[in-house]
Amino acid sequence: DVKVTQSSRYLVKRTGEKVFLECVQDMDHENMFWYRQDPGLGLRLIYFSYDVKMKEKGDIPEGYSVSREKKERFSLILESASTNQTSMYLCASSTPGDSLYEQYFGPGTRLTVT
Amino acid sequence: SQQGEEDPQALSIQEGENATMNCSYKTSINNLQWYRQNSGRGLVHLILIRSNEREKHSGRLRVTLDTSKKSSSLLITASRAADTASYFCALTSGTYKYIFGTGTRLKVLA
Repeated sequence: DVKVTQSSRYLVKRTGEKVFLECVQDMDHENMFWYRQDPGLGLRLIYFSYDVKMKEKGDIPEGYSVSREKKERFSLILESASTNQTSMYLCASSTPGDSLYEQYFGPGTRLTVT
Repeated sequence: SQQGEEDPQALSIQEGENATMNCSYKTSINNLQWYRQNSGRGLVHLILIRSNEREKHSGRLRVTLDTSKKSSSLLITASRAADTASYFCALTSGTYKYIFGTGTRLKVLA
């Protein structure tokens, strides 16, 4: 059974803290993605990676960075957490191709920044 | 915005009824996908329809795609309480990018 796991379901951090969100997939997928989900705004792409050490900015990369040192792991980093980064964070992976295939999502991390 | 827009934003029906939700978009697409999200959880892929297809079925799900109108619909037949969730369309129009709609919240009343 395919699986995408995220390091935490719930996380509470203080303003200014450095926050690491980890995502691991066991499907040998090349593509991995980080989204944030906010009420009324749907899913917005923060960053994606199409290979180890490769990354591309999504629609809202400001305040975030990512790391992909191994194929199965994609980390999202909040360098200095702010209250407007309180959100649900979703990681996903997929196989590449001329026509993009389905994404497999992790369970999400609900981050609260106080 | 390239974002898919879904209609209605919320839908409440009785168990056994059919539920229809729509997705409109502005860009050209490679394919269109529908996902379900149970409360507070990740998204689960339901069905994919390619840009050269017009209709696709999977169990109680029926998806249509009209590329001339840039719209798609998801029909869930004989709905069950377990179908209560949010449903999202996602467009793929480039090499890597998925563009998600804002979702339809479906509530099926037992």
